[in-house]
Amino acid sequence: KQEVTQIPAALSVPEGENLVLNCSFTDSAIYNLQWFRQDPGKGLTSLLLIQSSQREQTSGRLNASLDKSSGRSTLYIAASQPGDSATYLCAPNDYKLSFGAGTTVTVRA
Amino acid sequence: EAGVAQSPRYKIIEKRQSVAFWCNPISGHATLYWYQQILGQGPKLLIQFQNNGVVDDSQLPKDRFSAERLKGVDSTLKIQPAKLEDSAVYLCASSLVSQETQYFGPGTRLLVL
Repeated sequence: KQEVTQIPAALSVPEGENLVLNCSFTDSAIYNLQWFRQDPGKGLTSLLLIQSSQREQTSGRLNASLDKSSGRSTLYIAASQPGDSATYLCAPNDYKLSFGAGTTVTVRA
Repeated sequence: EAGVAQSPRYKIIEKRQSVAFWCNPISGHATLYWYQQILGQGPKLLIQFQNNGVVDDSQLPKDRFSAERLKGVDSTLKIQPAKLEDSAVYLCASSLVSQETQYFGPGTRLLVL
């Protein structure tokens, strides 16, 4: 059974600071890994999907890295803004998505 | 492109009552998923459909939960009878095919009293 851990559970930073969100998973036999954002009371919004053959995937201020052999992924958010405040969830995909509990980010103006 | 639609958005019921949720996926998406998200946790997959066939329902409590996807488009998830521990957000998602990006609906927030 895939176990997913996200550290830290919560993070508060001043506007402009870079964010580093960590995700670890126990089973490295995955097809891909998705990062999602969840705003309070809302569904999940897909941010990035990184294939198992890729090391990195970038979209705007977001960059995700994947080290499949060690079971780790990191999401970097450059120059954070108050609008980045949300919970970020990672989900490795073996034959289904398994989610961590997420990292709740607060960006202070 | 329209997103995944779900209804109702909120539902409050008494324990032992029944409830049903509806999901309309993105047009053309063959794969549909139902997730349960308990407060403070990540979503947990309940059931996955490929067109109108079930791919995975290993974590669906089949004594009280049922789901169907008629004609490979809309889907309904039913709970009968509901228990207090069923209080959660029920999320529907769809993808073009399995293993591709999943797109989520806004969820239905269920409170069982």
